[in-house]
Amino acid sequence: AQSVTQLGSHVSVSEGALVLLRCNYSSSVPPYLFWYVQYPNQGLQLLLKYTSAATLVKGINGFEAEFKKSETSFHLTKPSAHMSDAAEYFCAVSDGGGSNYKLTFGKGTLLTVNP
Amino acid sequence: DVKVTQSSRYLVKRTGEKVFLECVQDMDHENMFWYRQDPGLGLRLIYFSYDVKMKEKGDIPEGYSVSREKKERFSLILESASTNQTSMYLCATQGASTNTEAFFGQGTRLTVV
Repeated sequence: AQSVTQLGSHVSVSEGALVLLRCNYSSSVPPYLFWYVQYPNQGLQLLLKYTSAATLVKGINGFEAEFKKSETSFHLTKPSAHMSDAAEYFCAVSDGGGSNYKLTFGKGTLLTVNP
Repeated sequence: DVKVTQSSRYLVKRTGEKVFLECVQDMDHENMFWYRQDPGLGLRLIYFSYDVKMKEKGDIPEGYSVSREKKERFSLILESASTNQTSMYLCATQGASTNTEAFFGQGTRLTVV
């Protein structure tokens, strides 16, 4: 069975500081990995996805994530936080096999950006 | 642009009522999902469907049922609403290829009083 652990339910950074949101996964087969963002009272929007091509994946709004198989991690980073980045971020994994195409989500990390 | 439309943004229902949440997509996606989202618990899968008239239970199906009579429409039904079903409900769709992302609707915030 696949699972996702997001370390830190709440991360607070200053505007202009590095953003690092942690995600570790468990999967019995090579996984597909996703990061989503949710702004208040809205649905989820895809930031980026890893599908076994390049291990460093670039997404929208300056975010990127690196797939590290040895660490079973897929941490999300952004070099310089902007006020508009304040939102909740979800990491998700799919095993991609048979009926397991469905996504399993982490519990989310709320990002606060301080002026 | 993919469009996933949930019929209501906000709903208030009384305990014991039968509640229908509707989701319509315009992308001809095979897979559709219903999640509920609660603070600190993330997204939990209620039911999903990979084809018309096909459905499978997710992680928390108790108290819910679903219907998929047409490819573009996936309905979530609360047979007898209870206060512990007060939550944000999110519909999502996904193409058949396993490495494609899911696309989400705006969510329905349901309050059961």
